[in-house]
Amino acid sequence: ETGVTQSPTHLIKTRGQQVTLRCSSQSGHNTVSWYQQALGQGPQFIFQYYREEENGRGNFPPRFSGLQFPNYSSELNVNALELDDSALYLCASSLDGSNTEAFFGQGTRLTVV
Amino acid sequence: GQNIDQPTEMTATEGAIVQINCTYQTSGFNGLFWYQQHAGEAPTFLSYNVLDGLEEKGRFSSFLSRSKGYSYLLLKELQMKDSASYLCAVRPPNQAGTALIFGKGTTLSVSS
Repeated sequence: ETGVTQSPTHLIKTRGQQVTLRCSSQSGHNTVSWYQQALGQGPQFIFQYYREEENGRGNFPPRFSGLQFPNYSSELNVNALELDDSALYLCASSLDGSNTEAFFGQGTRLTVV
Repeated sequence: GQNIDQPTEMTATEGAIVQINCTYQTSGFNGLFWYQQHAGEAPTFLSYNVLDGLEEKGRFSSFLSRSKGYSYLLLKELQMKDSASYLCAVRPPNQAGTALIFGKGTTLSVSS
């Protein structure tokens, strides 16, 4: 059991709306990343937060934004939803440093209609 | 740029050995990971290689050759529960922690 929890598990939104997804990191983990995984594809890196600051970003537009809180929980916000945003959104946490594994949450399945 | 290639699908029978290959072309390298993902579930960590050579962990082994940009995951004594997607991921040199570049995954089907 990884200890990373995400909410909600499933969500349906309408094109143009905004959505907020939440992630609670494994206890003591100060680094969190968000990924988008389309059906049949590998996860694509959106961005990473370390101690409340963004310190890495993948090839996603600015309408994808995030926050990390002092307790290291995190949010992913997506504005102006598009149909192609329908995917599984995964959160992964780790204890800082470059030689540790990332623990993934179960994900939030977002459907945009 | 970043590019990670792995076969889309593989099939094998129970008790057999299967090798899943991964090649990568990335601008730098800071470790290679293998994850297992069952349908509808979160990816779970299998192995991590940063130096050349073989890392063994029970029925799973992972090999890395940095000069060739090549890794493989070896699964021995296959079981039906090993049917899953296997994801190869590279951590770029300018990143730490959880920032990984994933391949598209290899779907392994194990039959009896």
